[in-house]
Amino acid sequence: AQSVTQLGSHVSVSEGALVLLRCNYSSSVPPYLFWYVQYPNQGLQLLLKYTTGATLVKGINGFEAEFKKSETSFHLTKPSAHMSDAAEYFCAVRGTRSYNTDKLIFGTGTRLQVFP
Amino acid sequence: GAVVSQHPSWVICKSGTSVKIECRSLDFQATTMFWYRQFPKQSLMLMATSNEGSKATYEQGVEKDKFLINHASLTLSTLTVTSAHPEDSSFYICSARAGSLSGANVLTFGAGSRLTVL
Repeated sequence: AQSVTQLGSHVSVSEGALVLLRCNYSSSVPPYLFWYVQYPNQGLQLLLKYTTGATLVKGINGFEAEFKKSETSFHLTKPSAHMSDAAEYFCAVRGTRSYNTDKLIFGTGTRLQVFP
Repeated sequence: GAVVSQHPSWVICKSGTSVKIECRSLDFQATTMFWYRQFPKQSLMLMATSNEGSKATYEQGVEKDKFLINHASLTLSTLTVTSAHPEDSSFYICSARAGSLSGANVLTFGAGSRLTVL
């Protein structure tokens, strides 16, 4: 079974500041990990994913995340926040060996606010 | 890239009526599609897995007679909310995968359908 915990339902940063959104996972099998972004009244857009290989994953819009197995974490970062980054961010996990489907399990989401 | 289209994006209906939401994969075939429900300021909850040519697989606690899913072709899945009530008001999102089940292929999400039941 898999689960995801996102620490902090709201994060506020100033424009140009570092963005750090936290995600910890639980999985009985090696996980695939994802970060999605959702803008108001829209579906989800993939930011980045970790499958295998390099633990530091770079995504779109300058975001990156690092898979740390020892800490069971997959935190999302961006060096410099932009106003357009304001949105809801979801961390998701799925097992690499799903028995029937590749169901994604989502965290509760973190709302990022960016102030000028 | 892979595109998933949902229609309608907004729908308002009276209590007791049924509403159908369509989910189409525009440039790929999807044998499996997923339907999620999202309450305001909450996460996405998987409702069911839609399988082309066979019955949908529902998550625990989801009423299959309430939320009818039909996956009649490789590019279309529909979710029908039957006898809708105000508590069914929500944001419904579908997703589909372009690629095989065995890989880490990413799900593509539709833009969602907001249902308001009066």
